[in-house]
Amino acid sequence: DTEVTQTPKHLVMGMTNKKSLKCEQHMGHRAMYWYKQKAKKPPELMFVYSYEKLSINESVPSRFSPECPNSSLLNLHLHALQPEDSALYLCASSHLPGGTGSGPQHFGDGTRLSIL
Amino acid sequence: GQNIDQPTEMTATEGAIVQINCTYQTSGFNGLFWYQQHAGEAPTFLSYNVLDGLEEKGRFSSFLSRSKGYSYLLLKELQMKDSASYLCAVLSGAGSYQLTFGKGTKLSVIP
Repeated sequence: DTEVTQTPKHLVMGMTNKKSLKCEQHMGHRAMYWYKQKAKKPPELMFVYSYEKLSINESVPSRFSPECPNSSLLNLHLHALQPEDSALYLCASSHLPGGTGSGPQHFGDGTRLSIL
Repeated sequence: GQNIDQPTEMTATEGAIVQINCTYQTSGFNGLFWYQQHAGEAPTFLSYNVLDGLEEKGRFSSFLSRSKGYSYLLLKELQMKDSASYLCAVLSGAGSYQLTFGKGTKLSVIP
């Protein structure tokens, strides 16, 4: 079990559906992240939120829409996804960067997304 | 840009010691992490080095040389459950938010 909770664990959706992935942490972290991981590949950063504001968007298509309603929650809204978007979506959180970086990012168990 | 290299696969015997190397080229280095990832599961944090030297945590140790752009993860007294991918990740970028992962080393522990 991790201290970052993601729901749902598995999601199957059609290309015309709208769904949301949810992430919650109660470690007092003020930086939260979305990563995408394809099979046998490392995680790739998608978005970073700092103090509930979007800090980094790694050129992610607009069919992925992040939202950070408060310091504990992070959502990823999905719309009109493509089959190639099937992957493991990981949420992570960390303290804000200080003099020696942010310390470790703690990952949730991920949502395994399949697009039909 | 970032460039992180680690071996693709390694095999070691139960009870032995294994060293997984990682070399990196990056701008704005702010720390290096090692994560363990079992197939189908999330990465689990193992260790963090921001200064040169050795960090020890039970059976796991990690070493960093910033001048050489080099790190290694040392696993002692290997157990079957240590079979997993080990990801080297470098923290860099403006604001130190960007964690870039190497491609991972798949470790197989055999009896």
